[in-house]
Amino acid sequence: GESVGLHLPTLSVQEGDNSIINCAYSNSASDYFIWYKQESGKGPQFIIDIRSNMDKRQGQRVTVLLNKTVKHLSLQIAATQPGDSAVYFCAENRRLSGNTGKLIFGQGTTLQVKP
Amino acid sequence: DTGVSQNPRHKITKRGQNVTFRCDPISEHNRLYWYRQTLGQGPEFLTYFQNEAQLEKSRLLSDRFSAERPKGSFSTLEIQRTEQGDSAMYLCASSSTPRGKANEKLFFGSGTQLSVL
Repeated sequence: GESVGLHLPTLSVQEGDNSIINCAYSNSASDYFIWYKQESGKGPQFIIDIRSNMDKRQGQRVTVLLNKTVKHLSLQIAATQPGDSAVYFCAENRRLSGNTGKLIFGQGTTLQVKP
Repeated sequence: DTGVSQNPRHKITKRGQNVTFRCDPISEHNRLYWYRQTLGQGPEFLTYFQNEAQLEKSRLLSDRFSAERPKGSFSTLEIQRTEQGDSAMYLCASSSTPRGKANEKLFFGSGTQLSVL
């Protein structure tokens, strides 16, 4: 079935290194993508988003890349810090959902930062 | 704290009991969403309100589930005759109706963790 999914359930990186978290989606009708960070015991926190008419967007220490040809989304975190340890979810908003916050989430990647 | 507030944070109940959760959205937000998240999975959409109107419900929302937002501010989610499969984190999110072609950004609360014994 159609879904937004992540390639790896867990990613372990050394503090200071760059992290890349990947996500594959299958619905070409998706036009808006968001990355969320979820720490233990908390709700998802917005990190960065990108619309389908873009292929790259940068924030503070984070970059999202969108490759519509292969339906792939990635989140790059520069100079990973211990505070970045969390579960990261990609989510998509499909045109059929209208302009609403009805999102389809992937399963999540746990990022572990080693000191 | 002006974020989305959910109460209680944790709820333990016995199978067959009814439970009710409350969500207080960010005050100026007119949209309110309920999501459910099971362990190791991403959140799944349940339902959403625009002001006091419930505009969409997921097929996940069985007839044992009911959500209300009577005055267009806080919302409640009630589960009747709870089952063990209802055990999950119930997340609330709020947002403002986007203008023009802007995309909607959700702000999530910390959730209510339900355990059905």
